[in-house]
Amino acid sequence: QQQVKQSPQSLIVQKGGISIINCAYENTAFDYFPWYQQFPGKGPALLIAIRPDVSEKKEGRFTISFNKSAKQFSLHIMDSQPGDSATYFCAASSGGYQKVTFGIGTKLQVIP
Amino acid sequence: ETGVTQSPTHLIKTRGQQVTLRCSSQSGHNTVSWYQQALGQGPQFIFQYYREEENGRGNFPPRFSGLQFPNYSSELNVNALELDDSALYLCASSLGASLNNEQFFGPGTRLTVL
Repeated sequence: QQQVKQSPQSLIVQKGGISIINCAYENTAFDYFPWYQQFPGKGPALLIAIRPDVSEKKEGRFTISFNKSAKQFSLHIMDSQPGDSATYFCAASSGGYQKVTFGIGTKLQVIP
Repeated sequence: ETGVTQSPTHLIKTRGQQVTLRCSSQSGHNTVSWYQQALGQGPQFIFQYYREEENGRGNFPPRFSGLQFPNYSSELNVNALELDDSALYLCASSLGASLNNEQFFGPGTRLTVL
């Protein structure tokens, strides 16, 4: 049972383009939505996170958009760079606890 | 570098055996969580230890158990290994158990069960 559904599973974007990854969740108790970035041979690292009381959060080239009524959220990477090539996971948790439910992951490749 | 280390890097076991995986948290981090990441999947929460006590568990059977020690090290033990236990096992440490404390992941241990 996949509580956080993520798409696409793979994505190829040209350098300078916008990468968009979408996620949807079922559990309305989720109240914290982080995104993680994972490079090969490394563990995931927190990239950016949002709570449902805001519709958008931006940090540098990374933006999370959140639609509470649709139970969907997405990551936008502006001006994508080859160094952004990694696997991105959306995730969710509830109640202030660190039991994080991850999506399946999106392998992003940014080509020059 | 997050400062979280895991050993061994790779491990091969046969079905029915037992395995112990180790994690060394960042100094001062009293919370450690373990995740199982199957190939092509996102990490799945196994359990969390806070100040040496289990502080939450995911949908994993009791043959998955853990220990946390006062020196910021911890262990994940898996008994009666099954083929489906083949995965990357990640530990993540943090200063506390709430979401206000960022989790820092180690590089993982790749377990193969034959």
